[in-house]
Amino acid sequence: KNEVEQSPQNLTAQEGEFITINCSYSVGISALHWLQQHPGGGIVSLFMLSSGKKKHGRLIATINIQEKHSSLHITASHPRDSAVYICAVRSRTGNQFYFGTGTSLTVIP
Amino acid sequence: NAGVTQTPKFQVLKTGQSMTLQCAQDMNHNSMYWYRQDPGMGLRLIYYSASEGTTDKGEVPNGYNVSRLNKREFSLRLESAAPSQTSVYFCASSESGGTSGGLETQYFGPGTRLLVL
Repeated sequence: KNEVEQSPQNLTAQEGEFITINCSYSVGISALHWLQQHPGGGIVSLFMLSSGKKKHGRLIATINIQEKHSSLHITASHPRDSAVYICAVRSRTGNQFYFGTGTSLTVIP
Repeated sequence: NAGVTQTPKFQVLKTGQSMTLQCAQDMNHNSMYWYRQDPGMGLRLIYYSASEGTTDKGEVPNGYNVSRLNKREFSLRLESAAPSQTSVYFCASSESGGTSGGLETQYFGPGTRLLVL
C-alpha cells in the first residue's frame, strides 16, 4: 500500500475550469509538498505546508492534518497548467519521504 | 544562479557497466537528495545527505552508492548497472534538511534519463 494516494490519476479540463487534485496520506508528517512536473521532466516545488492554507497566484493548497488530507486547487485553469502534479510528504521522523504517483492534468483550450 | 545541475542528461549502459551521475547546487544548501522516478511508482528516495560528510539510505538504496564530495556536489554511483535501474534520476537540494523538521522547499535538477540494456 502506498503511503500517499492521489486522485484523480488523470484529469482533463476545459480552459477556465476550477480544478481540484486530492492527496491522502497514512503516516505522521512534518510537512507536505505539492510538486509540478512539466512534460519535459523538470520538477518545480509549488507549495510546502504543514497546516492551513497557502495561495500563490491561481494556485491554492490546503491541508487538514486531522484527516490526513490535502487538496491542490487551480482557479481559471490555463493550458500552460498542463503537467503532472505530485503530492509528497516528509515523515515526522524527518528522514522518510513518500511520494504520490502523480495526477496528470491536461487543460484544453 | 544555475540552481541544481545534473550530468549527464541521458545515458545508455550495458548490464554490468558502471557510471556516476553528477549533481551540483550553487545555493549553499546543506541537504541533497537522489531520487528515481519510475512509471506508476512515483518518486522514490535513494540516498540523502543532510550535510557535508554525511549520507543516509533512503527507500531504495540497493545497487547504489553516493558521495558527498563537498557542500556543492553529491554524486550517485552505479557499480554494476542492471536493467531494473533503468529510470529517470533526479537530484534535489534543500537549505537545512532534517534540522528544520521538513519545513523547507526542495529544489530539483532537470533529471538524468538512464537506460540499462
